[in-house]
Amino acid sequence: DAGVIQSPRHEVTEMGQEVTLRCKPISGHNSLFWYRQTMMRGLELLIYFNNNVPIDDSGMPEDRFSAKMPNASFSTLKIQPSEPRDSAVYFCASSIAGGFRETQYFGPGTRLLVL
Amino acid sequence: AQSVTQLDSHVSVSEGTPVLLRCNYSSSYSPSLFWYVQHPNKGLQLLLKYTSAATLVKGINGFEAEFKKSETSFHLTKPSAHMSDAAEYFCVVNSGAGSYQLTFGKGTKLSVIP
Repeated sequence: DAGVIQSPRHEVTEMGQEVTLRCKPISGHNSLFWYRQTMMRGLELLIYFNNNVPIDDSGMPEDRFSAKMPNASFSTLKIQPSEPRDSAVYFCASSIAGGFRETQYFGPGTRLLVL
Repeated sequence: AQSVTQLDSHVSVSEGTPVLLRCNYSSSYSPSLFWYVQHPNKGLQLLLKYTSAATLVKGINGFEAEFKKSETSFHLTKPSAHMSDAAEYFCVVNSGAGSYQLTFGKGTKLSVIP
């Protein structure tokens, strides 16, 4: 099993540019999560999809952030326009189901630096 | 509401000595509890999880944790530290009640001294 795949692994961009992060969940998993990790706030859930449908996006910081899941094997997180305070590590995770006993499997993360 | 407190932000042990990483939680329901490990510049890897079966949970790489409801604790232990255990460890709680939400502790950085 390839695990959760994220791309790019590193991204350096300038303030105001659009950033797109990509995620391929584990095959057969129907739940997908996007998290952000910063030193100040730790790990925060941004958005949760179940069967490709956004269930909870209350963690999305503001309208500059958007996420899509067009099919069961692909999701994107987009930031437009990006700001320096968006610099963080963004993780994608997937699980077989969204239930509380299910393990979430994390990807390696995308390290984003906005200058 | 659910929360998790990792009592130490940094723990340092000598190679070959025991490891104890402490975690306390609060939850309105019977929780699921997890320990994840994050090596530098890597993603989070599941070490072990508790989901209301045996209170002593064995994980990968020789780690184990004991769920103590009376103490609301889920401490992570390992009898003998190895250099490769140096990483950051996260205690995570899910309060159940149909929730998918994980609440992460702030992490404990484990250093292993040769």
